[in-house]
Amino acid sequence: GIQVEQSPPDLILQEGANSTLRCNFSDSVNNLQWFHQNPWGQLINLFYIPSGTKQNGRLSATTVATERYSLLYISSSQTTDSGVYFCAGKNAGGTSYGKLTFGQGTILTVHP
Amino acid sequence: KAGVTQTPRYLIKTRGQQVTLSCSPISGHRSVSWYQQTPGQGLQFLFEYFSETQRNKGNFPGRFSGRQFSNSRSEMNVSTLELGDSALYLCASSVTSGTAYNEQFFGPGTRLTVL
Repeated sequence: GIQVEQSPPDLILQEGANSTLRCNFSDSVNNLQWFHQNPWGQLINLFYIPSGTKQNGRLSATTVATERYSLLYISSSQTTDSGVYFCAGKNAGGTSYGKLTFGQGTILTVHP
Repeated sequence: KAGVTQTPRYLIKTRGQQVTLSCSPISGHRSVSWYQQTPGQGLQFLFEYFSETQRNKGNFPGRFSGRQFSNSRSEMNVSTLELGDSALYLCASSVTSGTAYNEQFFGPGTRLTVL
């Protein structure tokens, strides 16, 4: 199966700072998604981004499918951005019905 | 449109017991996938159901099983519980299955504690 590597594993910011989270895939993926896990454990969808660039408020994401990586940008961070961010994708080759492979996550802490 | 719902939200069991978790997908979604999240292993895929058929299965022992009903609701069962089964169990739904582009949406999870 594919391997998903997220970096950095931990990130500590002051409120107002910008950050970039990265996700590398060992093989071609589709169905690439970014999630924010809230304190109660639910995964909140941030972006569905198999390729290209999308923006949603202070967040944006870029996926370069040919180079097998994706980036999540957080601008003007707020304390409410704190939490764990995951990227996940499905192997584009073979049969991967339903199976999203997740990275280990980036733990983001934003201090006031 | 209502999101993915999971019941129960919290569960405490003892070793050797069995447990059944339930997941109701978003209306119109026919694919349901299940994941286990633990601090040591992270998020791992358990299995996926589409049209009442298991289409894919992760690397878990046979004690973990599931099924899907005609209304797309799904259940997963863990028999002969072990301490290591303590985890957050998440289900996700998507419109369809396969390797085509299908965004998954997750429920709030069931937190299982095995004593």
